[in-house]
Amino acid sequence: GQQVMQIPQYQHVQEGEDFTTYCNSSTTLSNIQWYKQRPGGHPVFLIQLVKSGEVKKQKRLTFQFGEAKKNSSLHITATQTTDVGTYFCAGQLLGAGNNRKLIWGLGTSLAVNP
Amino acid sequence: ETGVTQSPTHLIKTRGQQVTLRCSSQSGHNTVSWYQQALGQGPQFIFQYYREEENGRGNFPPRFSGLQFPNYSSELNVNALELDDSALYLCASHHPSLGGTGELFFGEGSRLTVL
Repeated sequence: GQQVMQIPQYQHVQEGEDFTTYCNSSTTLSNIQWYKQRPGGHPVFLIQLVKSGEVKKQKRLTFQFGEAKKNSSLHITATQTTDVGTYFCAGQLLGAGNNRKLIWGLGTSLAVNP
Repeated sequence: ETGVTQSPTHLIKTRGQQVTLRCSSQSGHNTVSWYQQALGQGPQFIFQYYREEENGRGNFPPRFSGLQFPNYSSELNVNALELDDSALYLCASHHPSLGGTGELFFGEGSRLTVL
């Protein structure tokens, strides 16, 4: 079936270091969303990428969507303790009827040492 | 806050029992999606309701069923509970566009433990 793979599963960094999580789909995506879930919390929407090769920035966060629309990445520059949480990508498949659900990765859990 | 509320927040059931979880959607959103999130996993899509009709379903058995009401609030019902049903159940309201589901606004979730 359709899968979205996300790596790494865990990442432990020192405050101030950079962090990147990668998301790969087995099939071409219509769009991809990124969410952040704090420990004990619920997923919170960060961004949606739609166009091939798209790059979007939110302060220290940079999101990329691959040219083939099969992969995506989230890069955090100079991590802070407030960045702690699990980052999920969620892809929407192409095709009629597929606009009703997202395929979620397993997430990357980020821990930041102060 | 997302404006999406879920109840109950925590509950404990035994195998074979039935459970109903409730969700009120954000004002203006006509679509509700339900997700199951096991510990350490990503959310798994259960189903979606749009204007009181189920219009998308993931790989969950028929004992997972739902309802959406005219005010767009929703219920998730699970019959014949199994141990593996223990998880966080998340409700998300959204307003789909032609481009897809749109941004999901999640509630805090209902944590179900099945003993």
